[in-house]
Amino acid sequence: DAGITQSPRHKVTETGTPVTLRCHQTENHRYMYWYRQDPGHGLRLIHYSYGVKDTDKGEVSDGYSVSRSKTEDFLLTLESATSSQTSVYFCATLGGGASTDTQYFGPGTRLTVL
Amino acid sequence: GDSVTQMEGPVTLSEEAFLTINCTYTATGYPSLFWYVQYPGEGLQLLLKATKADDKGSNKGFEATYRKETTSFHLEKGSVQVSDSAVYFCALSPRDSSYKLIFGSGTRLLVRP
Repeated sequence: DAGITQSPRHKVTETGTPVTLRCHQTENHRYMYWYRQDPGHGLRLIHYSYGVKDTDKGEVSDGYSVSRSKTEDFLLTLESATSSQTSVYFCATLGGGASTDTQYFGPGTRLTVL
Repeated sequence: GDSVTQMEGPVTLSEEAFLTINCTYTATGYPSLFWYVQYPGEGLQLLLKATKADDKGSNKGFEATYRKETTSFHLEKGSVQVSDSAVYFCALSPRDSSYKLIFGSGTRLLVRP
């Protein structure tokens, strides 16, 4: 368990509004990830970060931006939410030491865009 | 690009039955391979992993062997329990600087008493 929390856990919003999801970790892990989970697709990578202010795009990054100003926090922003962004969003961190190839996941945020 | 294919579910078994969930992958080079499990309403938890060919990952009675020749990483358990009911995800991590995970679509397992 990498001490990962996500907020909010549930959110309902309307099309066109901005939304920010927060991921917070307590293990000082360098790498952090945002995935979305949709039926039939498993989890798909949106963006990831390999250090403070260092981020890169994943497979499904269109319509999303991220920021990481502190090691412990990784924010995902939907600038103008659309119904296609209704999903469950998971944050993950990459373990250190003997677990350097293992990702640890947060509990998820369920986002509904009406 | 790299990808993971796993059998579609749901898989429904009786308690104490033998479980196999098939997983095959396509990747450049030699990725690390993982099985993650997701219980209802929760995030994903690592079940087991293997980092090189012929490695066997095991945990809680589950096993999977990294087969390079067949590009497979099938999950097995000899005797399932009701508490094993969950969604199982096969994933790979390519050997690049991102350490990202590429997931299969997931297989739901339902174990009946």
